[in-house]
Amino acid sequence: GDSVTQMEGPVTLSEEAFLTINCTYTATGYPSLFWYVQYPGEGLQLLLKATKADDKGSNKGFEATYRKETTSFHLEKGSVQVSDSAVYFCALGDTGGFKTIFGAGTRLFVKA
Amino acid sequence: GAGVSQSPSNKVTEKGKDVELRCDPISGHTALYWYRQSLGQGLEFLIYFQGNSAPDKSGLPSDRFSAERTGGSVSTLTIQRTQQEDSAVYLCASSLRENNGYTFGSGTRLTVV
Repeated sequence: GDSVTQMEGPVTLSEEAFLTINCTYTATGYPSLFWYVQYPGEGLQLLLKATKADDKGSNKGFEATYRKETTSFHLEKGSVQVSDSAVYFCALGDTGGFKTIFGAGTRLFVKA
Repeated sequence: GAGVSQSPSNKVTEKGKDVELRCDPISGHTALYWYRQSLGQGLEFLIYFQGNSAPDKSGLPSDRFSAERTGGSVSTLTIQRTQQEDSAVYLCASSLRENNGYTFGSGTRLTVV
């Protein structure tokens, strides 16, 4: 079945550093891809999405590009802030059904 | 409503008791999902509703778990004879269409003692 693998955390960066969180997927078709974010003490929020190959999703300075050839959807941000500290989940829309499949999450700590 | 509302936000129950968790989705969202998030774990899919029917119940961990949705709106997840391993945050999400991105509620933190 479809699955998502993302890099293990925690990731610790200094403020203004460049962020990459790797995400790769396995799917039989062409799923929609998502990044969700969970800030401390809050629920999950949709951060960005891409629905087809070569699409770039972006929001709040974060970007991710749907790469079919490498089956990847890496999350990037050029300059992180302390307020970006959160858990980030990569996810895909199951091509065999109706649900979204989530990765295990990557915790990001940003130090001032 | 403006967002997905879940109640209660916290529930502590004794092992063996039954619990009911409620989800009130965004008005007009026909798709509703239940997930479970255990400490330090990712999200585990439980069940999906389209309207009042549940085409996918594949994630329910045992027959102690059941869910229903009425009027295409409110959903209730029931756990019978709770066990300690049921302790987790139960998340509800809704969306206008499948696989289009969800809006999550804040979750119900269930602790079985």
